[in-house]
Amino acid sequence: KAGVTQTPRYLIKTRGQQVTLSCSPISGHRSVSWYQQTPGQGLQFLFEYFSETQRNKGNFPGRFSGRQFSNSRSEMNVSTLELGDSALYLCASRLGDQTYNEQFFGPGTRLTVL
Amino acid sequence: AQSVSQHNHHVILSEAASLELGCNYSYGGTVNLFWYVQYPGQHLQLLLKYFSGDPLVKGIKGFEAEFIKSKFSFNLRKPSVQWSDTAEYFCDSSGNTPLVFGKGTRLSVIA
Repeated sequence: KAGVTQTPRYLIKTRGQQVTLSCSPISGHRSVSWYQQTPGQGLQFLFEYFSETQRNKGNFPGRFSGRQFSNSRSEMNVSTLELGDSALYLCASRLGDQTYNEQFFGPGTRLTVL
Repeated sequence: AQSVSQHNHHVILSEAASLELGCNYSYGGTVNLFWYVQYPGQHLQLLLKYFSGDPLVKGIKGFEAEFIKSKFSFNLRKPSVQWSDTAEYFCDSSGNTPLVFGKGTRLSVIA
């Protein structure tokens, strides 16, 4: 089975721009979560989608949004980029929506905001 | 709010030394606990998990963790580390809300 894939792998943007990141979960997985990883803060939860519905949202401003499609693929959008948004954005999928299910992580998208 | 604390930011050990990484969680209800590892240049992957049963959980590559409910702890252990264990380790808790990760512990194993 193919793993979680994320595109693009690297992205450079300037302040004020917006960006869309994409995640394709493992086939059959219906839950997709997004995380922001930075050296100082570790992994911070952004949001989780299950069957096209946002199940949970982390403590991030409204500039961060996401959605999930009927094929479970998910996109994350960040509008009006700030320097502090530079980070590795990780997507993870799991089979069901139960919190004891293992998450499988993608390689991440490295976003640099100049 | 639910939180996870990892006590050690960076640990440096010699090969064959024993390892214990601390993890404490705050949620008092039913909780699922995980340790994930991120080797240099690789994806995060699951080391082990606990959600019920025997509180001593064994994972891959000789790692184990013990769930101590009274201490809200889920420390990761390995009796003898190898250079290949150099990585970043994340403790993760999920109770009634999804996953809360600790800030990670970077382990450097030197020969």
